[in-house]
Amino acid sequence: EPEVTQTPSHQVTQMGQEVILRCVPISNHLYFYWYRQILGQKVEFLVSFYNNEISEKSEIFDDQFSVERPDGSNFTLKIRSTKLEDSAMYFCASSEAPHEQFFGPGTRLTVL
Amino acid sequence: EDQVTQSPEALRLQEGESSSLNCSYTVSGLRGLFWYRQDPGKGPEFLFTLYSAGEEKEKERLKATLTKKESFLHITAPKPEDSATYLCAVYPYSGAGSYQLTFGKGTKLSVIP
Repeated sequence: EPEVTQTPSHQVTQMGQEVILRCVPISNHLYFYWYRQILGQKVEFLVSFYNNEISEKSEIFDDQFSVERPDGSNFTLKIRSTKLEDSAMYFCASSEAPHEQFFGPGTRLTVL
Repeated sequence: EDQVTQSPEALRLQEGESSSLNCSYTVSGLRGLFWYRQDPGKGPEFLFTLYSAGEEKEKERLKATLTKKESFLHITAPKPEDSATYLCAVYPYSGAGSYQLTFGKGTKLSVIP
């Protein structure tokens, strides 16, 4: 069964450093998303991406965040200068149409 | 503002003891409601999509139902492997190009053998 994959599973970084989280969406899906979940809190929407551009972003997704689809299979989230409050699980999701989003296993980001 | 409230926050059941989880929502318009299962340290696993009031979906011991204000996830004769956090998410009408889901906090289900 096709699934969304994410790497790395755990990323530890120093405050102020740049990180790139990688995702491989399900191959025939056209819509891509990033969500995050701070420990013990709700899953929160960050950004959606369709037709090679951002279709929507939340207030969390400020100038420190960017997304890219560098080739036909990868979808990345970059945080330029990490802060302590960026520590969270980051989930990539994809969908064939804008519903029934399938989530990856997540990357746990720890900012020290 | 779209809101999703799930209750109870936590539920402990004996194996075989059926129960229901609730998801109430406030949205300007509902395009769809989703149920996900989340195991500790893992991503949400898709279970069901419901689109209109009166709709029901079933999968093994789980049945999801939808009204105009809430959804229920019924668990019949649960087993220990059903232990997980169950998340409800809404897909509201928020304008063209809006695809974000709004999640509730979840119900943590523990099924005791």
